[in-house]
Amino acid sequence: AQTVTQSQPEMSVQEAETVTLSCTYDTSESNYYLFWYKQPPSRQMILVIRQEAYKQQNATENRFSVNFQKAAKSFSLKISDSQLGDTAMYFCAFMSNNYQLIWGAGTKLIIKP
Amino acid sequence: EPEVTQTPSHQVTQMGQEVILRCVPISNHLYFYWYRQILGQKVEFLVSFYNNEISEKSEIFDDQFSVERPDGSNFTLKIRSTKLEDSAMYFCASPLTSTGLTKTDTEAFFGQGTRLTVV
Repeated sequence: AQTVTQSQPEMSVQEAETVTLSCTYDTSESNYYLFWYKQPPSRQMILVIRQEAYKQQNATENRFSVNFQKAAKSFSLKISDSQLGDTAMYFCAFMSNNYQLIWGAGTKLIIKP
Repeated sequence: EPEVTQTPSHQVTQMGQEVILRCVPISNHLYFYWYRQILGQKVEFLVSFYNNEISEKSEIFDDQFSVERPDGSNFTLKIRSTKLEDSAMYFCASPLTSTGLTKTDTEAFFGQGTRLTVV
C-alpha cells in the first residue's frame, strides 16, 4: 500500500529564514505525482507545488522549491525568504494512477516575526 | 485557474439528521473525489466517482454515505443520520484538465471545503 510520511509535526523559524519540510513516501509505481498543499487557518486546501515522477528536474515556484529524490522516495519542500503568510499546515500528498491522493499527516509551520 | 465550488461553506446539523454537501466540479472533468479532514487530523479519502459511478471507496464510506450527480453538473455527498464524529471539513476535488490519460496537467483542484458541525 502507498504511504506518505511527514516526520515533523511542527516547525518554527524566523521570518526571512529558509525552512525545509520533509516528506517520504512508499510506492511500487514508477509514474506518479507528488504535491505539497498549504492549509491556512481557513482550512482551504491550496496547492503549493507539484512534481511529476518522470521529471528529474526539481519543481520550483517562486520561493518554493522541492528536492525530489526518486530512488530514496523523498520529496522535501524548501521555503526561501519565509514570510508571515507562510504560517499554515503543510501537507505532502502522493497521487497514484487512479488519481486518488494519499496524504501525509501534515507539518505545522510557524513563521515568527 | 479553474475553480471547484462547494456549498455550503459551513453546515450545522443535529445528530441524526441528513445533510447534503454540494460540489460543482470543473466542467469536462470525469473524475471527482470527496475527502474528509477531522479537525487536527490528516486528510482521508472517502470516495472517487468516475463516469457517473463510484469507482473506489474507503472503509469510512459506509452505508451512511452516498454520492450522486443528479443533474450532470452538481456532485453531491449525502450523509444520512449524521453522527457527532462526522464533524469535519469535507473537500471535493476534481483532478485532471483533460479527458486523456496523460498526466501532463494533472492537479487535484480542490473546492474551498464545507465545514460540517454535528451537534
